[in-house]
Amino acid sequence: TQLLEQSPQFLSIQEGENLTVYCNSSSVFSSLQWYRQEPGEGPVLLVTVVTGGEVKKLKRLTFQFGDARKDSSLHITAAQPGDTGLYLCAGEGGSYIPTFGRGTSLIVHP
Amino acid sequence: GAGVSQTPSNKVTEKGKYVELRCDPISGHTALYWYRQSLGQGPEFLIYFQGTGAADDSGLPNDRFFAVRPEGSVSTLKIQRTERGDSAVYLCASSVGWTVSYNEQFFGPGTRLTVL
Repeated sequence: TQLLEQSPQFLSIQEGENLTVYCNSSSVFSSLQWYRQEPGEGPVLLVTVVTGGEVKKLKRLTFQFGDARKDSSLHITAAQPGDTGLYLCAGEGGSYIPTFGRGTSLIVHP
Repeated sequence: GAGVSQTPSNKVTEKGKYVELRCDPISGHTALYWYRQSLGQGPEFLIYFQGTGAADDSGLPNDRFFAVRPEGSVSTLKIQRTERGDSAVYLCASSVGWTVSYNEQFFGPGTRLTVL
């Protein structure tokens, strides 16, 4: 079984602060996806990283895939209240079935 | 265009009853996934369809759970003899192709199932 551990589980910060969320595993993944989920809604895809060492930027969000394709990080610069939500990482392994982490619940206070 | 829709949005049932949860995927999407999300957890894979057939049902917890997609579009997740532990949000997702590395999954809003 491939497991993804996300940390921290909860994060409460002030507007303007920077933060990093981590997604780690002992297994190798073909790709890793990052999603954001808001209450009462399904997850929405933010990015997919496929190549080891890959870095992708989406406005104030920076995503990195580890060289060994076992871990990933999400860095948010100058967080805003609109960034509040549950951030989920998911990996596609050899079975092609996505495995999700437990998520990081982020609250950004104005 | 329309996204993935799921009905009902909420379902309350009694222990031992039978329930059906429906998913309408985005038109033209051949891949359809069912997940279960418990409080404080990420989505847990249940079953995946490619067209009409179940390509992988390894996530179904036991034989009380069954899903169909008879015409390759709408899918129904069926749960027999419901138990309190089945209470969760059931999410459906669809995508154009079958590998999430290259095909974005679009999720519905989920059905919140509560078993009393």
